[in-house]
Amino acid sequence: QVQLQESGPGLVKPSQTLSLTCTVSGASISTGSYYWSWIRQPAGKGLEWMGRIYTSGSTNYNPSLKSRVTVSLDTSKNQFSLKLSSVTAADTAVYYCARGTSNGYSLGYYFDYWGQGTLVTVSS
Amino acid sequence: DIQMTQSPSTLSASVGDRVTITCRASQSVYSWLAWYQQKPGKAPKLLIQKASSLDSGVPSRFSGSGSGTEFTLTISSLQPDDFATYYCQQYNSYSPTFGQGTKVEIK
Repeated sequence: QVQLQESGPGLVKPSQTLSLTCTVSGASISTGSYYWSWIRQPAGKGLEWMGRIYTSGSTNYNPSLKSRVTVSLDTSKNQFSLKLSSVTAADTAVYYCARGTSNGYSLGYYFDYWGQGTLVTVSS
Repeated sequence: DIQMTQSPSTLSASVGDRVTITCRASQSVYSWLAWYQQKPGKAPKLLIQKASSLDSGVPSRFSGSGSGTEFTLTISSLQPDDFATYYCQQYNSYSPTFGQGTKVEIK
């Protein structure tokens, strides 16, 4: 059974960098054809895909966040990470890590496994 | 980006009702559409992928249909465990996008 677990600070100051880690168990992040992704959800609002890293290490980011977001892999720890720079109160949200799976012919992927989510508050 | 629009935003229904949620895409996404169920304080759960393929373990009262720009999620007989928010998501682009959600409430 694939499981994902987010970890990181729950409080970040404005203008600083938000850093989160997702630890994956039950699957290797360096094998298979999966898109390890970060998705966030402000309180009472919808879901926003932020970015992903493929098992090969290639990345793709939401154009609205592209200049501020970085996703990276640590295969030795079976983890992937998110960094979001220059945060403001608008970045306060629950952050989820998720595994993206494609149907083979699709350009993109759906999310079949999710972490439980972690609340990050941006405040001084 | 491909915009996804769900209707209605909120739906009030009773146990046993047949419920239909619509999701429209701003351009064709073929059949590359997924549906998720989210309960308060929990992560979304995959229900359907490729517009109509039920994920493993999802009850058969859930079904999906559609292609191109218009899709529906149907719950044939609403159960107490089904009161939740439902999201559609397209994956016909390198940037997946979600609908704004439909909350299914108890009538």
